[in-house]
Amino acid sequence: EIVLTQSPGTLSLSPGERATLSCRASRTVSHSYLAWYQQKRGQAPRLLIYGASSRATGIPDRFSGSGSGTDFTLTISRLEPEDFAVYYCQQYGNSPYTFGQGTKLESK
Amino acid sequence: QVQLVQSGAEVEKPGASVMVSCKASGYTFTNYYIHWVRQAPGQGLEWMGVVIPSSGATSYAQKFQDRVAMTTETSTSTIYMELSSLRFEDTAVYYCARDALITAPGNFDYWGQGTLVTVSS
Repeated sequence: EIVLTQSPGTLSLSPGERATLSCRASRTVSHSYLAWYQQKRGQAPRLLIYGASSRATGIPDRFSGSGSGTDFTLTISRLEPEDFAVYYCQQYGNSPYTFGQGTKLESK
Repeated sequence: QVQLVQSGAEVEKPGASVMVSCKASGYTFTNYYIHWVRQAPGQGLEWMGVVIPSSGATSYAQKFQDRVAMTTETSTSTIYMELSSLRFEDTAVYYCARDALITAPGNFDYWGQGTLVTVSS
């Protein structure tokens, strides 16, 4: 199975700053079938990005995804207070679908 | 609006089985796959498998192949996930999630609220 490694484990930033989250795959993710989710405490995950770079319905344009092959990035251009959460990447190019271990984005 | 409403929390003993339900509404039930994803306390997300409501076909992660069954009841737009031979490490929140079916199957646009399953002696 494809193992996804996210870095950093925790990212401490202030509102208004730019956040860059990384997701590295143990082998090539087919067709860049890579998604990003946001999860707040006590809630289900929320789809942000699919196909590595396409925003899901209703997702603000401050969220963007990039990358291909084995290296992917989620960027939040200017952090809003509601963006502090845990972020997971997920590959769906190969079964079993797998998730990274998560990056916690916390307010400094 | 699309909704996935799951059944309530369960407490089971090791070796027992648990069934979690997920009732879908707000869309054509047979047009979208449904996946199950679990999350152990304080841990990350783990994909368990998928069921295709139009056919009943399933695909399970190998880790759960021998212990999980996912079924659908079209008349009530409900999906069921049964996990047997429960172990302490199966304690987790279990989510059903609808496949967005954008570009390819496997990313999830709507999620249930989650069902906590606790395995305790």
